[in-house]
Amino acid sequence: DAKTTQPTSMDCAEGRAANLPCNHSTISGNEYVYWYRQIHSQGPQYIIHGLKNNETNEMASLIITEDRKSSTLILPHATLRDTAVYYCIVRAYQTGANNLFFGTGTRLTVIP
Amino acid sequence: NAGVMQNPRHLVRRRGQEARLRCSPMKGHSHVYWYRQLPEEGLKFMVYLQKENIIDESGMPKERFSAEFPKEGPSILRIQQVVRGDSAAYFCASSGEGFETQYFGPGTRLLVL
Repeated sequence: DAKTTQPTSMDCAEGRAANLPCNHSTISGNEYVYWYRQIHSQGPQYIIHGLKNNETNEMASLIITEDRKSSTLILPHATLRDTAVYYCIVRAYQTGANNLFFGTGTRLTVIP
Repeated sequence: NAGVMQNPRHLVRRRGQEARLRCSPMKGHSHVYWYRQLPEEGLKFMVYLQKENIIDESGMPKERFSAEFPKEGPSILRIQQVVRGDSAAYFCASSGEGFETQYFGPGTRLLVL
């Protein structure tokens, strides 16, 4: 069921930007890209989502390529508390099919 | 502004006992989802409910597992006759409408001895 591909792990220096890539080459026109993260077995935390345009909120920015086949989550100034597994999820808005498919994600380690 | 609440946070059961996990959605949310995370694995969807209705239970094991979301009160995930393989973290999420963003609770860690 995986519709996304992410690197297994990444490191980032504290204070630097963390850029997490995601490939979703089979994404459909009505499918959104969602990002969640899970910090040490806590409940997944919603970060951001988008359809076509780039999005920014207080946590992160989401850059979606023009062909929508890939995206990048950007944490502008990574801190040690950003160490987590980050999940990129493609999701369609349709009645009765609202479950999220969590793949293996990217384990981001922020290094002091 | 309380988020999704789950209790208990930790639950220990012996094989053959019943486990009841509760989830209170965020205020104003009427859609609830249950996910299970086995050790060292990703979350797997189990069931999607609205008030008094099961919308999608395609991820639920066929036996021993059931879920409800009554008109009043929390959603309940019930596991009868637990086995060691049921040991996992069970997460609940809620959304305002079915297509809106899902927000997760802290989870219930079930350990079956």
